[in-house]
Amino acid sequence: EDQVTQSPEALRLQEGESSSLNCSYTVSGLRGLFWYRQDPGKGPEFLFTLYSAGEEKEKERLKATLTKKESFLHITAPKPEDSATYLCAVQALGLEEKLTFGTGTRLTIIP
Amino acid sequence: ETGVTQSPTHLIKTRGQQVTLRCSSQSGHNTVSWYQQALGQGPQFIFQYYREEENGRGNFPPRFSGLQFPNYSSELNVNALELDDSALYLCASRDATGELFFGEGSRLTVL
Repeated sequence: EDQVTQSPEALRLQEGESSSLNCSYTVSGLRGLFWYRQDPGKGPEFLFTLYSAGEEKEKERLKATLTKKESFLHITAPKPEDSATYLCAVQALGLEEKLTFGTGTRLTIIP
Repeated sequence: ETGVTQSPTHLIKTRGQQVTLRCSSQSGHNTVSWYQQALGQGPQFIFQYYREEENGRGNFPPRFSGLQFPNYSSELNVNALELDDSALYLCASRDATGELFFGEGSRLTVL
């Protein structure tokens, strides 16, 4: 069974203090690893899809990387508006669109 | 703007009642999937529809059912509501770039 574990559960950073969020996964065959941002009471907002080990993608202050066992979401010089829950999900090879999600990392950036 | 629209945004039901949630996608993609997100958890895959047929299902009982229409809109129906059905229900579809986007969700409270 596909499994995703995210750490830490919660992270508080000062504005400008860089850090990384971890996503460890097990999947029968990886079709894609997804990162989403979710604000309270809202739907997940798409950030990145990574498909193979060694792949990296960047968007503003965020950079996602992928290995065969885990993914990291690096946040550089964060701002208060980056405060949100960050969700990681994997999709296995096959016909289904099914994503298996972790429980997320709740990130708080303190001004 | 994800192009995935869900309604209603909030609703309250009592135990034993039935509920219908709706989703539409601007892209008109063939596949739509539904997820349940309990408070503090990651989304859980309920099922997906492809060309009006269910072709993938998670660990949810038969009282969770769905429909997909020729115009690619979709419904999630839940019968005999239970207190544990209280959650945010999310619809997801792919956009023109192929990435998987979520709607803002329907918040269901069962009393």
